[in-house]
Formats: sequence, C-alpha cells, structure tokens
Amino acid sequence: DTGVSQNPRHKITKRGQNVTFRCDPISEHNRLYWYRQTLGQGPEFLTYFQNEAQLEKSRLLSDRFSAERPKGSFSTLEIQRTEQGDSAMYLCASSLSRGWPDGYTFGSGTRLTVV
Amino acid sequence: DQQVKQNSPSLSVQEGRISILNCDYTNSMFDYFLWYKKYPAEGPTFLISISSIKDKNEDGRFTVFLNKSAKHLSLHIVPSQPGDSAVYFCAASFGNAGGTSYGKLTFGQGTILTVHP
Repeated sequence: DTGVSQNPRHKITKRGQNVTFRCDPISEHNRLYWYRQTLGQGPEFLTYFQNEAQLEKSRLLSDRFSAERPKGSFSTLEIQRTEQGDSAMYLCASSLSRGWPDGYTFGSGTRLTVV
Repeated sequence: DQQVKQNSPSLSVQEGRISILNCDYTNSMFDYFLWYKKYPAEGPTFLISISSIKDKNEDGRFTVFLNKSAKHLSLHIVPSQPGDSAVYFCAASFGNAGGTSYGKLTFGQGTILTVHP
C-alpha cells in the first residue's frame, strides 16, 4: 500500500468552472477526511466519511461543495462555480475508526488555483 | 473562532540546541492532542501525541508536555537537527465521548521551525 493518494496534484481553473478532486485512502481504512489549508493557516476540517456514510460536514462546506464516497473506498470532492477564495490546498486523510487518531494518514494534497 | 492557536509563526534555533514549540487551546472538551510535521509539497505527518490524562509523553528526541489548567501544550525537540526544519502543527481532538466528532482534528496555524547547522 502506497499510502493516501490524491489526484491531481495541481489544478488551475478559471473562476466559475467546476472542479473535481479524487482521494484514494489506505485500503483498510474505513474513515476518510477532507481538509482545506490556506496560506499561513493550519488544515481546516471540511467533512468526513465512515465507509460510504458522510457523518459530518463543516459549515465551511458551502452548497457549492459536495463530497462522495460511493463504495466506501475512494472519495471525490467537487467544487461548483469556483471562486478565487476557493484557492487552497485540499488535503485528504484516512484512518481506522477505532483507537486514537495517531493512525491518521494524510495525502500530499491537491493545490487548487482559481484565476 | 480559533480554538487551537500557535502564536509563534516561526522559530529559529541552532543545531544541537533545544527547540520549544508552543500551542494554546480554548476548548476544555479537547482530550487528545497531537503534533504534526509538514514539509513543502507533502501532507502533514504524525509526530507525537498525548492524552489529556497524561502531562508528558516522550518519543526519542521529541517530548510533548500538556498543562490542562493552562490549556497549553508544548513540543520539545532535543537535540534539534537541520532535518527537523519544517512546519509544525498542533492539533486537538475529542475522544469517544465526543460522538461523531471523534477523529476530526482541529489544527493550529503552524510554526515554521528552522534549524541552522
């Protein structure tokens, strides 16, 4: 297993376009998280799944954002009608649901630039 | 509201000396704390953690101290090495009693550590 994989690594899009990111977690991990990190800030929680169920969404996740994990494996994060304020690093992480979050493994992220 | 704060944006130390990174939190319901290290173009990697029932946890060169009454934790790196140069984030979590929030992490803003040879 090569860890948490995120694609693409970089995405440049024009304002108003839709973008979709993909995350492939560690195979035995049943929890999958999305975070967003802007310059000079720490990662901010967006949402997480346990298997295919989306258990929590942050108020940061506006109606333009949607995340899915259809078969409890990979996940996609879609942003509709992108705005310049959406420019950030989008991080995915996975873990097991039991135990403490030491086993929280992050991917390398997708850097989104909205021009 | 910033529930986890790292008030020092950067820290510079000499190789071999001690690095002390600080973190404050406001939510007394947090009961598990972690430090992550992040290199450019990579995701954060777990470094060390501490449960609220402890006041110290040590792993090699890294020690985390927790002062619950002050809502403060610190990471000590001794001795510091140039390879430790990275951004360090502290994070906090609710335990199982937090219900569905368990596993969700609240991060500080990060401290850039530079260790000079």
